[in-house]
Amino acid sequence: DAKTTQPPSMDCAEGRAANLPCNHSTISGNEYVYWYRQIHSQGPQYIIHGLKNNETNEMASLIITEDRKSSTLILPHATLRDTAVYYCIVPRAGSYQLTFGKGTKLSVIP
Amino acid sequence: NAGVTQTPKFQVLKTGQSMTLQCAQDMNHEYMSWYRQDPGMGLRLIHYSVGAGITDQGEVPNGYNVSRSTTEDFPLRLLSAAPSQTSVYFCASSPRPRQGTDEQYFGPGTRLTVT
Repeated sequence: DAKTTQPPSMDCAEGRAANLPCNHSTISGNEYVYWYRQIHSQGPQYIIHGLKNNETNEMASLIITEDRKSSTLILPHATLRDTAVYYCIVPRAGSYQLTFGKGTKLSVIP
Repeated sequence: NAGVTQTPKFQVLKTGQSMTLQCAQDMNHEYMSWYRQDPGMGLRLIHYSVGAGITDQGEVPNGYNVSRSTTEDFPLRLLSAAPSQTSVYFCASSPRPRQGTDEQYFGPGTRLTVT
C-alpha cells in the first residue's frame, strides 16, 4: 500500500467545515484514495473514495491534488456526531487489504 | 438488510481455550474479511475470502483459522487462545473484490479478552 501521512489530531467548531489532510506521495497511477472513519470503537464506516477527480457524496467531499500526492476530506458542516478517528487509505492496486494507520482524531467542539 | 452481524459482542476466554467468532452478512457479498484492533492501534487484516471455498492469509494470520462454506458466513476460529489475542475483532464484507470500485462494510465488533 502507498504510505499515508495524517496529522494525529484536529479540532473543529460545530457547524464549521472540517478539512482533514492526507499525504500519499508514493501513490501509483491506478491506486484509489479511500476514507473511512471509526466512531468510538464501533466498526469503521466508509465515507468516500476517489482516483483523480474530486468526489462528493451525502457525507463529504474529497479533493485530490492534480499530482495526486495529497488529498483533503471535507465535512462541510461538522456536528458533534462527526467526532471520530478518520483514516486515509490507499490500497495497493488489485489488493483486497485495507491498511489502517493511526488516522486523525477529529474532535468537534460545541 | 441486517448488514454485517457478529456474535458474540463480548467474550472472555482462559489461555488455551478455543472458540469461534461468528460473522454473517445478508447482502450477497463475495468478499469477506477479519481484522483485529489492539488498543490505540489501527486495524490489521487476519484472513480474507473472495468467495465460498476460497480463503487467504492477511497480515497477522497466526493462531487463527477460517473457512468459507457459504457466501453468507465467515467464522474465525481461535485454536488455543493466548493473552496476545486480546483485541477487538471486526468482520467486513464487500460486493465484489475489485479494487477501486467497492467500499467495505464493517460489523460492530467482538471484544475478546484472554486471561
